[in-house]
Amino acid sequence: TQLLEQSPQFLSIQEGENLTVYCNSSSVFSSLQWYRQEPGEGPVLLVTVVTGGEVKKLKRLTFQFGDARKDSSLHITAAQPGDTGLYLCAGPDRGSTLGRLYFGRGTQLTVWP
Amino acid sequence: DTGVSQDPRHKITKRGQNVTFRCDPISEHNRLYWYRQTLGQGPEFLTYFQNEAQLEKSRLLSDRFSAERPKGSFSTLEIQRTEQGDSAMYLCASSLGENRVLFGSGTRLTVV
Repeated sequence: TQLLEQSPQFLSIQEGENLTVYCNSSSVFSSLQWYRQEPGEGPVLLVTVVTGGEVKKLKRLTFQFGDARKDSSLHITAAQPGDTGLYLCAGPDRGSTLGRLYFGRGTQLTVWP
Repeated sequence: DTGVSQDPRHKITKRGQNVTFRCDPISEHNRLYWYRQTLGQGPEFLTYFQNEAQLEKSRLLSDRFSAERPKGSFSTLEIQRTEQGDSAMYLCASSLGENRVLFGSGTRLTVV
């Protein structure tokens, strides 16, 4: 099993603050994906990072893949209440299809107005 | 294209009853996946199909669980003799080959 550890588990901040959440593993992943999930809904894919050291930006969200492809981070600048949700990282099983994903437990982010 | 569709959205059943969920993937997607998510956890892989063939099954998929994709389009997941521990969100996802995996909104099962 390729475990993904996410931290912090919960994060509660005021609108306008910056934050970083982390996704760590002892295993090397060919890629890592970040999803956001709202209550009662399925995860929605935000980004896939593939190359060690890669940085991708999606508006106020910056995703980084570690050089050794064992960890990733998500940084949000000037958080807004609409950013509230469960942020999940996921990576594919080494010996299987890309769709067989291992997920972390997620970081539950709450942004207060 | 309306995305991955799951039905029902919510199901409450008594312990011991059988339940069946349906998933309609994105029409051109040949791969279909089932995941289960319990409270406070990330989704866990259950099984996947390429077209109509069920290619992988997780150890989580006990013999009370069966999944089918008879014509390579929609899929069903049946749970027989439900137990309280089966209470979870059951998520379906689909992809076109090794391209990105897109999830449905899930079926929330509560076993009472």
